[in-house]
Amino acid sequence: SQKIEQNSEALNIQEGKTATLTCNYTNYSPAYLQWYRQDPGRGPVFLLLIRENEKEKRKERLKVTFDTTLKQSLFHITASQPADSATYLCAPPPHGGSTLGRLYFGRGTQLTVWP
Amino acid sequence: NAGVTQTPKFQVLKTGQSMTLQCAQDMNHEYMSWYRQDPGMGLRLIHYSVGAGITDQGEVPNGYNVSRSTTEDFPLRLLSAAPSQTSVYFCASSYSSEQFFGPGTRLTVL
Repeated sequence: SQKIEQNSEALNIQEGKTATLTCNYTNYSPAYLQWYRQDPGRGPVFLLLIRENEKEKRKERLKVTFDTTLKQSLFHITASQPADSATYLCAPPPHGGSTLGRLYFGRGTQLTVWP
Repeated sequence: NAGVTQTPKFQVLKTGQSMTLQCAQDMNHEYMSWYRQDPGMGLRLIHYSVGAGITDQGEVPNGYNVSRSTTEDFPLRLLSAAPSQTSVYFCASSYSSEQFFGPGTRLTVL
């Protein structure tokens, strides 16, 4: 069955540094992959979507890469700020059938940016 | 637009009780989903719908029922609550790949 792994449960970095979060998937090849941000007590919020034919996508200080050979997506936050502290979720669609309306989430990486 | 709304925000049930978690969206989205989130488990899909009158099971459907009589509403029913259903429940809607989530319902089953 498909498996999603986010590299660590927690990542602590100093303000101004670049945070890099990893998402590895096995047993299938998703056509796209999404990244969400979740703050405590709130629902996830969509950040970026990257398709299998795109190697890199950027949005302001965020950058996502998608390596279909390594079966890995990297999520970068440059010039990180304490306000970036949150849990970040990797979410490809499930394997097989229609993918609209449903996602398969990794367990998330809790990022803490300290001043 | 209110987006995706969920009620109640918190609920405590006794084992065996039934209840319905409400979810509504005002964005005219075709697709709606229910997830549960448990510590260390991430979000898991319970049921989803690709349009009014059409529902299907997700990863963890046992113990839950859904129906979709209108585009706007997608209630989740627990017929006989069990302690294993203690969790935070999120409803989401979408018109394409990006999903919009509600604020969640925290459910405790004693």
